[in-house]
Amino acid sequence: SQTIHQWPATLVQPVGSPLSLECTVEGTSNPNLYWYRQAAGRGLQLLFYSVGIGQISSEVPQNLSASRPQDRQFILSSKKLLLSDSGFYLCAWSVTSGRVETQYFGPGTRLLVL
Amino acid sequence: GNSVTQMEGPVTLSEEAFLTINCTYTATGYPSLFWYVQYPGEGLQLLLKATKADDKGSNKGFEATYRKETTSFHLEKGSVQVSDSAVYFCALSVVDYGQNFVFGPGTRLSVLP
Repeated sequence: SQTIHQWPATLVQPVGSPLSLECTVEGTSNPNLYWYRQAAGRGLQLLFYSVGIGQISSEVPQNLSASRPQDRQFILSSKKLLLSDSGFYLCAWSVTSGRVETQYFGPGTRLLVL
Repeated sequence: GNSVTQMEGPVTLSEEAFLTINCTYTATGYPSLFWYVQYPGEGLQLLLKATKADDKGSNKGFEATYRKETTSFHLEKGSVQVSDSAVYFCALSVVDYGQNFVFGPGTRLSVLP
């Protein structure tokens, strides 16, 4: 069966510090991968998605970046965090069967920028 | 473009009450429809899905029917429990090219004992 991991679970960082969040998927190959951000009490904002190694599409211009160095690894980074980067970051992977794509989510990383 | 609209929350119900959370969509092509649930502090979990018109998705006592004529996918449960308190997201997916997975804004449900 497939599982998705995210770490760390919680992170407190000062403004201006760098960021690296990691997501890995087990039990599948060549998944589509996604990074979402969820502000407190709000919906999901798609940040990045990837259909393969080294292929990243950005949905929202900001000081975040994403990389996919391996098939089942997706990394979210920032060189300098802003207060507005605080939130709940969710990684997801998807599988397509026929014309049906289904997304599955990781447990999330809660980021607090002070 | 593709979009999903959900009823505004929060929704507060007493235990054993009947639940309906409305969801309507706009899509080019023929979408698949989903309901996800997010418990406090956790990621989203797939609750149920339907892939074609008149399909009924069901899980854990929740049901939703894909209504193409009204472009709706309302979530229902006959008797809610305190443990159902969570945020519910309606979503659609159109497999075409590019990224075509769209989520609604979410509806927070609180069930009181």
